[in-house]
Amino acid sequence: DTAVSQTPKYLVTQMGNDKSIKCEQNLGHDTMYWYKQDSKKFLKIMFSYNNKELIINETVPNRFSPKSPDKAHLNLHINSLELGDSAVYFCASSQGHNSPLHFGNGTRLTVT
Amino acid sequence: GIQVEQSPPDLILQEGANSTLRCNFSDSVNNLQWFHQNPWGQLINLFYIPSGTKQNGRLSATTVATERYSLLYISSSQTTDSGVYFCAVALVSGYALNFGKGTSLLVTP
Repeated sequence: DTAVSQTPKYLVTQMGNDKSIKCEQNLGHDTMYWYKQDSKKFLKIMFSYNNKELIINETVPNRFSPKSPDKAHLNLHINSLELGDSAVYFCASSQGHNSPLHFGNGTRLTVT
Repeated sequence: GIQVEQSPPDLILQEGANSTLRCNFSDSVNNLQWFHQNPWGQLINLFYIPSGTKQNGRLSATTVATERYSLLYISSSQTTDSGVYFCAVALVSGYALNFGKGTSLLVTP
């Protein structure tokens, strides 16, 4: 009965590959996010979707493409992976933007 | 963008001690939340507190929006309180939370 679940938990891949991370929430929330946490533990917003519509797209390279097939899912596809993409990626959800934010357990991406 | 400053950056406590963590922010906000990232990396929402005071067990938080700061109090700390505590805020006109750099807390037995 996990509230926000993302898969995989770990992802190790080589430079140049394409990979996807999946996220699902069963909280009935209408807003979902992707955050990136770097090696210094700094958390930065990447994308926000509200009712499947893209609301926020921070200065993220075009190699990152989010897709929201429905309100409960927000997937992240990354093309041509680079060493600097190594980080922990967190999916999160909330009901609107001004309500408690709930995070998934993160996906640790390592690019070699 | 909005600046979020947390202090202290690091804190070591003995079990049973109390502590206060501070979050200062540079602009008007209508959304402020505190999170705990445990040693396994999980991010847990502690408080949604754009203003006022809330308590949850040994933890409590106070936000004074007009003076642009929030405080997180931890009483009778336990080793399980160890981890990083993040403050995050969103502007009145904003859509997503901006995080501070966190306070890393270690509680020793």
